[in-house]
Amino acid sequence: EVQLVESGGGLVKPGGSLRLSCEASGLAFNIYTMNWVRQAPGKGLEWVSSIISGGIYTYYADSVKGRFTISRDNAKNSLYLQMHSLRAEDTAVYYCSRGVYTNNGYKGDAYDVWGQGTLVTVSS
Amino acid sequence: ILMTQSPATLSLSPGESVTLSCSASQTVTKNFAWYQQKPGQAPRLLIYAASTRATGVPARFSGSGSGTEFTLTISSLQSEDFAVYYCQQYDNWPRTFGQGTKLEIK
Repeated sequence: EVQLVESGGGLVKPGGSLRLSCEASGLAFNIYTMNWVRQAPGKGLEWVSSIISGGIYTYYADSVKGRFTISRDNAKNSLYLQMHSLRAEDTAVYYCSRGVYTNNGYKGDAYDVWGQGTLVTVSS
Repeated sequence: ILMTQSPATLSLSPGESVTLSCSASQTVTKNFAWYQQKPGQAPRLLIYAASTRATGVPARFSGSGSGTEFTLTISSLQSEDFAVYYCQQYDNWPRTFGQGTKLEIK
């Protein structure tokens, strides 16, 4: 069974840092684009960051650029999100997700597997 | 790219059919997806590449469109279909989602 399990969320003060992790199982982790998507309480979905399979190419939402860093360790089947200079508006459930890569070779950034999410609360 | 969904809320009865709409502020070709989200759960991918059903998605869900206009049709609503639906483009960075359409039971 393909599974993504996030961890590392919690309560942090404004200006603080936090590192989220996502452990993958049941998939060939190294071939997939991996992503972070967040959802503020009662709000919609917001894409945060993506990292292409080899780990060289990364992309960020303007709202987190310069503060967040996405990385992956393909040997450990793990995805990370290092978050610095956290703000109240970063408060959200953070989901780890996998980009589609089908048996017939289709690859795209529709997210077909999601973790259960980890809650990050930024508050004094 | 701004994704705009309409309407924000729909009230329908089980057994009815519904079409949800999503417009992109510029073309996204067919790099487009629909998701379903229920309270307390992670989103679930329904449709990718504008019209391809994801694994395990019932045939009553169908997607169409290309360029800037997209629709999701659910034929004969089941009780488990009442949820929030999001559209997403993945043609350009940053990836963007619509604000969601809430499908509620009348």
